[in-house]
Amino acid sequence: DIQMTQSPSSLSAFVGDRVTITCRASQSISNYLNWYQQRPGKAPKLLIYAASSLQSGAPSRFSGSGSGTDFTLTISSLQPEDFATYYCQQSYTTSYTFGQGSKLEIK
Amino acid sequence: EAQLVESGGGLVQPGGSLRLSCAASGFAITTYWMHWVRQAPGKGLEWVSRIKSDGSRTTYADSVKGRFTISRDNAKNTLYLQMNSLRAEDTAVYYCASDPDRGGYSMFDYWGQGTLVTVSS
Repeated sequence: DIQMTQSPSSLSAFVGDRVTITCRASQSISNYLNWYQQRPGKAPKLLIYAASSLQSGAPSRFSGSGSGTDFTLTISSLQPEDFATYYCQQSYTTSYTFGQGSKLEIK
Repeated sequence: EAQLVESGGGLVQPGGSLRLSCAASGFAITTYWMHWVRQAPGKGLEWVSRIKSDGSRTTYADSVKGRFTISRDNAKNTLYLQMNSLRAEDTAVYYCASDPDRGGYSMFDYWGQGTLVTVSS
């Protein structure tokens, strides 16, 4: 199975900061990579699909990049509602593996 | 507004069975692959199973293969998960999710609110 590893596992930042979360796949997955946001007690929400395509309704401050094994999610200017846990997910194989999550907290 | 609503969770003893349902409203699931994803308390997300739009193909995670069965009734706009031989490690919030499979890319665009399954004696 393809393993997905996110870093960092947790981070803290100020409102207005630029933040980057990385995701590494154990083998090449081309651009079959999605990013989700999960707020406490809520269901995940799709932000980015196919590595860099912004999901309809997701704020434009979110962007994704990467291909092969290394990917990034960037939030250009943190807003209070962005403090949540973020997950990457590969859809290259039908194991649909998720990363372990990156928890973003307010500094 | 598109919505998915899960039901059927609860407390069950090890070895028991439970059937989850996921009712869709505001859109027709007929053109969507549908998935179940679970999240153990305080843990990350784990994909469980998927079913093709017409129900002709199903896939399962190794951890549930042979014990869980996914199905759908497109006429009722509803997805199901039959869970048998339940184990303590199956304890989790179970989410259903829709997958529009855009241009060959799979993604989970709508999610339900989740239903909690607790396996304990």
